[in-house]
Amino acid sequence: DTEVTQTPKHLVMGMTNKKSLKCEQHMGHRAMYWYKQKAKKPPELMFVYSYEKLSINESVPSRFSPECPNSSLLNLHLHALQPEDSALYLCASSQPAAGLGELFFGEGSRLTVL
Amino acid sequence: KQEVTQIPAALSVPEGENLVLNCSFTDSAIYNLQWFRQDPGKGLTSLLLIQSSQREQTSGRLNASLDKSSGRSTLYIAASQPGDSATYLCAVGAGNNRKLIWGLGTSLAVNP
Repeated sequence: DTEVTQTPKHLVMGMTNKKSLKCEQHMGHRAMYWYKQKAKKPPELMFVYSYEKLSINESVPSRFSPECPNSSLLNLHLHALQPEDSALYLCASSQPAAGLGELFFGEGSRLTVL
Repeated sequence: KQEVTQIPAALSVPEGENLVLNCSFTDSAIYNLQWFRQDPGKGLTSLLLIQSSQREQTSGRLNASLDKSSGRSTLYIAASQPGDSATYLCAVGAGNNRKLIWGLGTSLAVNP
């Protein structure tokens, strides 16, 4: 099983809403990532969890709050977002390594902020 | 600062052609290089991972090579099919963190 599953696939929210994106993998990977991707651009790294601990925060605004409840799950809590936060949010996982293991991505959650 | 460039930005070929996508990087101190495929509005699919000690990797009709000394990788697609139409992204793993440095991608259209 080489799947990373993301829910929901689409999300529309107002600027005052609170919502969450969810990600799950059962490959036994111990590194999990959140990326943000705008149209016709490569993904931008947001957060990295390694062994359920936050290891990298790429100076992401606090309106994005990641959580890693266990080794298979990764959440991204959203609050008071701005229209410019509309994007495809991608979750990925890999085996941690001295460098980087092969990255496996989910299908993404398409977020629209009104 | 590591920079990754992909040439060409777009490519349109007739079905059946063999084709080469190029990726270049400015700093040879990399851990690995990955090629991904992305269909419109979808997530990324990992195609091939080449570790820094390797020269090439093959999967089916795909072959990726790595020449660290010249800062280049190529993705060779044999006997292209319309289903190969997608954006192909190259990313290098470098530095002490788990950050990939990405190219802007090559948009490939294979015409029946």
